[in-house]
Amino acid sequence: EADIYQTPRYLVIGTGKKITLECSQTMGHDKMYWYQQDPGMELHLIHYSYGVNSTEKGDLSSESTVSRIRTEHFPLTLESARPSHTSQYLCASSEGLNYGYTFGSGTRLTVV
Amino acid sequence: DQQVKQNSPSLSVQEGRISILNCDYTNSMFDYFLWYKKYPAEGPTFLISISSIKDKNEDGRFTVFLNKSAKHLSLHIVPSQPGDSAVYFCAASSYNQGGKLIFGQGTELSVKP
Repeated sequence: EADIYQTPRYLVIGTGKKITLECSQTMGHDKMYWYQQDPGMELHLIHYSYGVNSTEKGDLSSESTVSRIRTEHFPLTLESARPSHTSQYLCASSEGLNYGYTFGSGTRLTVV
Repeated sequence: DQQVKQNSPSLSVQEGRISILNCDYTNSMFDYFLWYKKYPAEGPTFLISISSIKDKNEDGRFTVFLNKSAKHLSLHIVPSQPGDSAVYFCAASSYNQGGKLIFGQGTELSVKP
């Protein structure tokens, strides 16, 4: 049973709309991550957090923003969606540094 | 510059035979390596990991081999089953560099009955 939950699973939205992708975990992990993945490509880290009120940008530049007000919740927001944002967004958490990640099921975003 | 590379985008294997997936890395600071399995429209699921102090780790049908001098690791699946068909991602991290996982591009494994 999944301990990390992402909603929605699929989202089709028009250009210019504001969207928030939800991610919650019940494992009490301090460390949480957002990755972006296009078909046939590697997962790119776009944001991470090592605890409440701590957020950092990842290796891949992204127009999205994140917040970490509660340990269990790490939402990602796009203020103005564009077709170039079409991708799969994967949220993950881990127990510590150099631990494996537990991933959510992902959100497949399509911007038309 | 891609630090973790999986040079084979796809692999096809007969059921019951061995599947060997390969991964190369460039960062000598990596000290922890993992393999993940991913189905379309799902998140990756953890398969097996290995620390840089070891050269082999085995879990059931899955074995990971690490060759530090060659900066190469491989995942062996034996015997392969049709349910193993998925995309396999190699990942690596370095504790001294923040422990964030760096992923390869993935290899799509197809196991034919």
